[in-house]
Amino acid sequence: SYELTQPPSVSVSPGQTARITCSGDALPKQYAYWYQQKPGQAPVLVIYKDSERPSGIPERFSGSSSGTTVTLTISGVQAEDEADYYCQSADSSGTYLRVVFGGGTKLTVL
Amino acid sequence: QVQLQESGPGLVKPSETLSLTCAVSGYSISSGYYWGWIRQPPGKGLEWIGSIYHSGSTYYNPSLKSRVTISVDTSKNQFSLKLSSVTAADTAVYYCARVLAVAGSTCFDYWGQGTLVTVSS
Repeated sequence: SYELTQPPSVSVSPGQTARITCSGDALPKQYAYWYQQKPGQAPVLVIYKDSERPSGIPERFSGSSSGTTVTLTISGVQAEDEADYYCQSADSSGTYLRVVFGGGTKLTVL
Repeated sequence: QVQLQESGPGLVKPSETLSLTCAVSGYSISSGYYWGWIRQPPGKGLEWIGSIYHSGSTYYNPSLKSRVTISVDTSKNQFSLKLSSVTAADTAVYYCARVLAVAGSTCFDYWGQGTLVTVSS
């Protein structure tokens, strides 16, 4: 089955830049999306279509894509950004409604 | 503002059927969009279960397809999930969400708060 691979954890100090990667063979052909999930809360969409930011999401969140890897970048990390982050895309079947999530990355703000 | 609210039993016995409903407010399901179910076992990641259109067209996760049924009731503006023959591995927080289709791909833009379902005798 198709998988999206994320690092289990990333740690940064406040004010630094955090980069979270997501790899998948179909990513050159499919858009990727990123969600932020804080403990006890539902996920929140922070990046759509690889690099677009929904309204209300701070400008420090950005996304990029290169080949089979997409990256979520958080510039000037704040303590409130500590959360789990999940990438999401369509599976490799070509049916865009079939969704797959990455395993998630825990961002720790030191 | 679109709001979604999951409801259903918090405890289900092994081998029985898990049934949940998602009530949608602030938007009429009949107007469009797909609507989906996602689950998250305690301490683990997100897993897509399936999605349904207001017409009843469905797409399921292949790994769960044999046990999953998603249906929609436009008169009540809600959609439902049934998962049969449950085991402890189905213990999870279950979320309902609106599916946003953008340029040939999809994501989830509005989510319910989630409901914990525990499978135990």
